[in-house]
Amino acid sequence: KNQVEQSPQSLIILEGKNCTLQCNYTVSPFSNLRWYKQDTGRGPVSLTIMTFSENTKSNGRYTATLDADTKQSSLHITASQLSDSASYICVVSGETGANNLFFGTGTRLTVIP
Amino acid sequence: DAGVIQSPRHEVTEMGQEVTLRCKPISGHNSLFWYRQTMMRGLELLIYFNNNVPIDDSGMPEDRFSAKMPNASFSTLKIQPSEPRDSAVYFCASSFGRSEQFFGPGTRLTVL
Repeated sequence: KNQVEQSPQSLIILEGKNCTLQCNYTVSPFSNLRWYKQDTGRGPVSLTIMTFSENTKSNGRYTATLDADTKQSSLHITASQLSDSASYICVVSGETGANNLFFGTGTRLTVIP
Repeated sequence: DAGVIQSPRHEVTEMGQEVTLRCKPISGHNSLFWYRQTMMRGLELLIYFNNNVPIDDSGMPEDRFSAKMPNASFSTLKIQPSEPRDSAVYFCASSFGRSEQFFGPGTRLTVL
């Protein structure tokens, strides 16, 4: 069964600290994996997209990693800011069809001063 | 570009009433998606259009839900009759082919 699981479900960290969010998936065949950031009351916004051959991709203070062999991805946030408080959603795309997307339930990150 | 536009942003209605949610995709995008988001289930794809044609509606929960896309710049999601369990945030997203999907701000639906 194609599934995407994220951990932790929620996380609270102090401003300036680093954190890592996890995404494990069982989707096969695999096309790509995206991390989305969703601010409260808004739609998700794409942070990174990773394909099978990519191991690491950065977007500012956000760094995503992908291990296609173990089917694991992580999103590392460096020097967190209050504006990083949001839900982070991992989305895995299967190989067949643009609508073949599998969503994690997200990690709710709260950055406190 | 203004991005994906959804209306209304909030809708409160009573059980049994008809609800219509509206979406204007980004100009030039040829794929449109309707999602539902709840705390318990996260984001769920309801239906997907490509070039105004419904491709996959297997995520539509039941016959009370219907979606249309009469042209490339407008889509509706209708619930008739609405039930309290339909309460959720409904997102519309658009993309060009399999490229990144851009999400609208969502419509928060509350059915009393």
